[in-house]
Amino acid sequence: GAVVSQHPSWVICKSGTSVKIECRSLDFQATTMFWYRQFPKQSLMLMATSNEGSKATYEQGVEKDKFLINHASLTLSTLTVTSAHPEDSSFYICSATPPGLGNTIYFGEGSWLTVV
Amino acid sequence: DAKTTQPPSMDCAEGRAANLPCNHSTISGNEYVYWYRQIHSQGPQYIIHGLKNNETNEMASLIITEDRKSSTLILPHATLRDTAVYYCIVRTRIQGAQKLVFGQGTRLTINP
Repeated sequence: GAVVSQHPSWVICKSGTSVKIECRSLDFQATTMFWYRQFPKQSLMLMATSNEGSKATYEQGVEKDKFLINHASLTLSTLTVTSAHPEDSSFYICSATPPGLGNTIYFGEGSWLTVV
Repeated sequence: DAKTTQPPSMDCAEGRAANLPCNHSTISGNEYVYWYRQIHSQGPQYIIHGLKNNETNEMASLIITEDRKSSTLILPHATLRDTAVYYCIVRTRIQGAQKLVFGQGTRLTINP
């Protein structure tokens, strides 16, 4: 079964509104989670590293004020797309790793965002 | 930046072995090779990983060359459900989380 779960699986929102996507680690605690974005027919692009209890680390070119990341607990990270625009429509995926050396990184099922 | 190179696409007949190559010529001694696959509209699925020895699990086998500069993922008896994009990724062997950087992957098509 899934060890990392995302919600919602898909969401449609209007331009200018904000939408929140949740990423949960099941059965393990994750001090770090990662958020990716994927456009059709392209590879996954890392957006940011979510750190429990501290600020997220954003990759170059990713607007931190637009993509708000909160990692308030050891099993939950949220990504909020603020003031969404149609160009933000994409597949958003999170990942997490159970603690330990060389452990497998598990990915969530992904969340489809469509901004209309 | 991705540290691996893969062919953009491959075809394989159903029931045959699918061999997916990956070059990672700049890999360092503490980096693992990971393989994931992504079926359309789903999150990546873990397949297998290794450091220097060949590995096998219920899904696939991973063959890593002695110099560790390349590897091959083998799906022994490919089925139509194995059609997916396969990603080869190197990951540093350190404690704690390490981000994965994805390349373009190989789009594998299994033909009936």
